[in-house]
Amino acid sequence: SQQGEEDPQALSIQEGENATMNCSYKTSINNLQWYRQNSGRGLVHLILIRSNEREKHSGRLRVTLDTSKKSSSLLITASRAADTASYFCALALPSGAGSYQLTFGKGTKLSVIP
Amino acid sequence: EAGVTQSPTHLIKTRGQQATLRCSPISGHTSVYWYQQALGLGLQFLLWYDEGEERNRGNFPPRFSGRQFPNYSSELNVNALELEDSALYLCASSQTGTATNEKLFFGSGTQLSVL
Repeated sequence: SQQGEEDPQALSIQEGENATMNCSYKTSINNLQWYRQNSGRGLVHLILIRSNEREKHSGRLRVTLDTSKKSSSLLITASRAADTASYFCALALPSGAGSYQLTFGKGTKLSVIP
Repeated sequence: EAGVTQSPTHLIKTRGQQATLRCSPISGHTSVYWYQQALGLGLQFLLWYDEGEERNRGNFPPRFSGRQFPNYSSELNVNALELEDSALYLCASSQTGTATNEKLFFGSGTQLSVL
């Protein structure tokens, strides 16, 4: 399979704690993106990390990428109840003619308990 | 600026019928993508349209088809509906389909239920 695999499938934490989600993959990628989906709604882009980058930050989000281990992690610090959602990693894979296609994993369902 | 809009929000059909789902991308975006999100299966890539042409399709049978209009809006058609076609269908758009570091903007989806 060329899609990423998120781990864990589900995560439940208390408000204020940090949440860490991981994504592993098996193929070479151009970039890796993380998206968030609130219950039954569309996905919202969170952060993009290129294959030559190791770490990126955006607000309370920190993403790391280890291309040698073919894995990425998303850390949400000081979680809030509003962070409750499903989080997906998406791999940008070559799809011919110089273009790329995003392939999504099954997601990690995060529950933040107030 | 309006986001990606999809219609209808919900659609109920019976086995064997046809379903038509519509998507309007963000203004200025030329690429439209369709994904199927069935329960527990994550997002499965269906189709990609750019500049009116089908650029790529996922591993779905030919009864899943679509098109992109000159104004870059798109339709997804599903013929001979089967029970397992019940899913949330998500449309996304991007400025172009070729840039290497593009992100997708998603609509809220159409929930298709096949009875």
